[in-house]
Amino acid sequence: GQNIDQPTEMTATEGAIVQINCTYQTSGFNGLFWYQQHAGEAPTFLSYNVLDGLEEKGRFSSFLSRSKGYSYLLLKELQMKDSASYLCAVSGTGGSYIPTFGRGTSLIVHP
Amino acid sequence: DTEVTQTPKHLVMGMTNKKSLKCEQHMGHRAMYWYKQKAKKPPELMFVYSYEKLSINESVPSRFSPECPNSSLLNLHLHALQPEDSALYLCASSQMGGSLGDEQFFGPGTRLTVL
Repeated sequence: GQNIDQPTEMTATEGAIVQINCTYQTSGFNGLFWYQQHAGEAPTFLSYNVLDGLEEKGRFSSFLSRSKGYSYLLLKELQMKDSASYLCAVSGTGGSYIPTFGRGTSLIVHP
Repeated sequence: DTEVTQTPKHLVMGMTNKKSLKCEQHMGHRAMYWYKQKAKKPPELMFVYSYEKLSINESVPSRFSPECPNSSLLNLHLHALQPEDSALYLCASSQMGGSLGDEQFFGPGTRLTVL
């Protein structure tokens, strides 16, 4: 079976830092993706982690701990345009390389 | 060109209509996907084509019929849909469809309303 869990909604202030967590219990694992999706638009790729540790890309960083089935997406210096849904997707569930998406975390950034 | 395009952007159809959704990419990707997404829900995988062959059908009802005419094009033919099929239909592509870290590129989607 597979279970990918993220908080439904988070709020934060412009300029602040926010951490969005994702926990997973899957029958296989070949990496974890984070996507950003603005309302009514397509998801866009943010990051991919397959080994433990932190991957940094500008204002966004993603962390993975395979032993704990845990990842987080860290967003620094928040901007209003960061208000979006953040989808955690796990690859390798059931032996397939195709990612399975979590329900997404809706982030609201206010002034 | 790093874009996946989809047409139409919006589609309203009756339950007896036949319509088609189109998706195109020119990135040389060999895997293409159809997803269905309801409001405030994650994308749900419907079909996967790998090297122009249907490799995954996630038990989708036969009123949805995919077609991959060539490596750049993916269609979704719709017939006798139900109101509950109203959703955002997303097309995506990736380089290989079976590789580690195979990032998916999504199109903007077609917003479908079935009356």
